[in-house]
Amino acid sequence: EDKVVQSPLSLVVHEGDTVTLNCSYEVTNFRSLLWYKQEKKAPTFLFMLTSSGIEKKSGRLSSILDKKELSSILNITATQTGDSAIYLCAGGSEGTYKYIFGTGTRLKVLA
Amino acid sequence: SQTIHQWPATLVQPVGSPLSLECTVEGTSNPNLYWYRQAAGRGLQLLFYSVGIGQISSEVPQNLSASRPQDRQFILSSKKLLLSDSGFYLCASEPRGRYNEQFFGPGTRLTVL
Repeated sequence: EDKVVQSPLSLVVHEGDTVTLNCSYEVTNFRSLLWYKQEKKAPTFLFMLTSSGIEKKSGRLSSILDKKELSSILNITATQTGDSAIYLCAGGSEGTYKYIFGTGTRLKVLA
Repeated sequence: SQTIHQWPATLVQPVGSPLSLECTVEGTSNPNLYWYRQAAGRGLQLLFYSVGIGQISSEVPQNLSASRPQDRQFILSSKKLLLSDSGFYLCASEPRGRYNEQFFGPGTRLTVL
């Protein structure tokens, strides 16, 4: 059965810290992996990663996928209180239209 | 870019009552559409997805159903709600193509009493 596991489940840091969130996946015929940030309502898209291994960056956020380890990390540098959210990752497979979501990592950044 | 509308935003319903949640999409044609449910503090559970009008795939057995009467309209229904149906319901749209992300609507928070 396909699954996506995120760690840690929750994390509390102080402003300015750097955090690394982990996502491991077991997805049949893996196609791509998505990262989302969810504050109070709908998830907002952050990155899409494929087996190419190309790192994606946006400001203080970056992410990369390791196809050998079947995992991905999301890094946030110089964290701010506005980074407090649940971060979700999801794995998709070829030939289907489904994404399997992990349970998320709840990040809280203290001022 | 596409925009996804969901309504209502919040809903409180008694056990045994019917349900109809609507999702409409603007800015894209022939998208794949999805219904997810998110329990408090948990990840997203895929309920249904659709790759075209009238085509519905169900992921979990339950008392919910979905329909896609138009290309950019996706409806989630129930004839009789259960307490366990409470949650945050999200509609998502994915443009056609191999590598496309899913965009989410604002969600409907359903409380069944």
